[in-house]
Amino acid sequence: AQRVTQPEKLLSVFKGAPVELKCNYSYSGSPELFWYVQYSRQRLQLLLRHISRESIKGFTADLNKGETSFHLKKPFAQEEDSAMYYCALKNQGGKLIFGQGTELSVKP
Amino acid sequence: DAGVTQSPTHLIKTRGQQVTLRCSPKSGHDTVSWYQQALGQGPQFIFQYYEEEERQRGNFPDRFSGHQFPNYSSELNVNALLLGDSALYLCASSYTPGQADEKLFFGSGTQLSVL
Repeated sequence: AQRVTQPEKLLSVFKGAPVELKCNYSYSGSPELFWYVQYSRQRLQLLLRHISRESIKGFTADLNKGETSFHLKKPFAQEEDSAMYYCALKNQGGKLIFGQGTELSVKP
Repeated sequence: DAGVTQSPTHLIKTRGQQVTLRCSPKSGHDTVSWYQQALGQGPQFIFQYYEEEERQRGNFPDRFSGHQFPNYSSELNVNALLLGDSALYLCASSYTPGQADEKLFFGSGTQLSVL
């Protein structure tokens, strides 16, 4: 079965604290994984994808095939990082499978 | 470039009715995907259109159908509406499947309420 699991519905941290949003996947094959973000009153947008191995807005994510995880990390959270974060897996046909999302709240 | 545009933004229907939602892709994109997002859930893939054909389909009944026009715009049709169809319907566009930069751009969605 192809599935993406985000175990935390809400993650609350203080500004300057490290952040890790968890994502686990189930997929038989080589997965292509993404993190999408939705800021308040904005449309869903791509944050980063594992094939690019890039850092966007200080966020990074490493694909761990052994643990079937793609956790999103940032060393020092900012208030503007508060948003809904969705982990997604793309199958060979191009279909994106999303997790349920984690709401990140960064308090001042 | 206005990006992906969807219409209408909000819609209220009653059970049993039919609804049509519309989507115009981002300039240069030829592939359109539709997603249903229920409250508190992540988006769920409905289907994808490329070259005016349905290429992939998610786990949705035949009441959900679509169409893509020669200008790449797309429609999502839902027949015999149920209360459970109430959701935000998102359209996303991208370049041709299989191309290197197959990044999805999402519209703002159509909020459908079925009473």
